Amino acid sequence: KAGVTQTPRYLIKTRGQQVTLSCSPISGHRSVSWYQQTPGQGLQFLFEYFSETQRNKGNFPGRFSGRQFSNSRSEMNVSTLELGDSALYLCASSLGTNMNTEAFFGQGTRLTVV
Amino acid sequence: KNQVEQSPQSLIILEGKNCTLQCNYTVSPFSNLRWYKQDTGRGPVSLTIMTFSENTKSNGRYTATLDADTKQSSLHITASQLSDSASYICVVSVVSSNTGKLIFGQGTTLQVKP
Repeated sequence: KAGVTQTPRYLIKTRGQQVTLSCSPISGHRSVSWYQQTPGQGLQFLFEYFSETQRNKGNFPGRFSGRQFSNSRSEMNVSTLELGDSALYLCASSLGTNMNTEAFFGQGTRLTVV
Repeated sequence: KNQVEQSPQSLIILEGKNCTLQCNYTVSPFSNLRWYKQDTGRGPVSLTIMTFSENTKSNGRYTATLDADTKQSSLHITASQLSDSASYICVVSVVSSNTGKLIFGQGTTLQVKP
């Protein structure tokens, strides 16, 4: 059974640009959550999508958005990139909502903003 | 304010020794508490997940305990191996009405030396 797949693995963008990251969950999982990990702040919850609807949201500005497709694949978009957005972005999939069921993480996308 | 604090920040032990990592939380309303292991450059891997009513849960050489009254959890690693070198992250799930979020600790970096 394939795990959670994130693409791309590495990305370099310039300030002001926008970026789209992709996450394919484990087959059968309906929940996809996104997280930002930085050395200073650690892991922080961005948002969760379940059956194409955003169910939960962390404390991030509106520049961070996402969506989920009917096949449960999810994309996260960050607009008007800032240097502080440089981080490892992780997604996790769960059978039910990520709040109550075990989450399986992908390897992450390392975003560098220059 | 919902917070999860872990101690120690880092730990060095010799192979074969036991160790205990601590997690204190001030989170409400509490849904569950998880421990994750994260190897450098990889996504976190779930070790245990415990609800309010569970006091202890084991996963091989890893044993987690939960005291919901004092809002403390610990992760005990028995007979450590070199492969246990990683960051260990405590995560608390907060759920109220139809919303929820995950609150992450900053992690404990464990180094096991031969």
